[in-house]
Amino acid sequence: AQSVTQLDSHVSVSEGTPVLLRCNYSSSYSPSLFWYVQHPNKGLQLLLKYTSAATLVKGINGFEAEFKKSETSFHLTKPSAHMSDAAEYFCVAYNYGQNFVFGPGTRLSVLP
Amino acid sequence: SQTIHQWPATLVQPVGSPLSLECTVEGTSNPNLYWYRQAAGRGLQLLFYSIGIDQISSEVPQNLSASRPQDRQFILSSKKLLLSDSGFYLCAWSRSGTSNQPQHFGDGTRLSIL
Repeated sequence: AQSVTQLDSHVSVSEGTPVLLRCNYSSSYSPSLFWYVQHPNKGLQLLLKYTSAATLVKGINGFEAEFKKSETSFHLTKPSAHMSDAAEYFCVAYNYGQNFVFGPGTRLSVLP
Repeated sequence: SQTIHQWPATLVQPVGSPLSLECTVEGTSNPNLYWYRQAAGRGLQLLFYSIGIDQISSEVPQNLSASRPQDRQFILSSKKLLLSDSGFYLCAWSRSGTSNQPQHFGDGTRLSIL
């Protein structure tokens, strides 16, 4: 069965410093992978997706993620955090014919 | 382009009252549809998903039910709400028949049970 692990429940960074949110997946097949962001009392917004093309995926708002099959990882990064990046982030895996599997989420705090 | 509408945005209901939350999708046909619940500070729990009209799967036993009376309409209901039904309810859609298309979410409904 698929599973998604987000190793950090909470990450705190200073504004202007890099962001790293970690995600590892477990799947019998190479899944499609997604990162979503959720601001308080809002729905989830798609940041980026990996679908077996380029392993380095660029998304919106300066975020990117790299798929590493050998490490079964899909970590989300951003070179310089902005106050507006403070939110909850979810890593999601999907294999055709199965349901989307969500990680537990990582709360990102950005300090001034 | 495709859009998803979910309403109401907030709802306060007494214990034992009925519930109806509605979700509609525009700009696509035969979408897969989903209902999730998110408890405070928690991740997402899949409640129901649907691959077509009157084709609905329930993921967890609960006090809720779902219906899909039209291709792009998904309704979450309850006959008698419990305190434990409080939470943030999210509707989502995805393109059917593909392996690499993401889900797209509505803005959610904050449900408070008194």
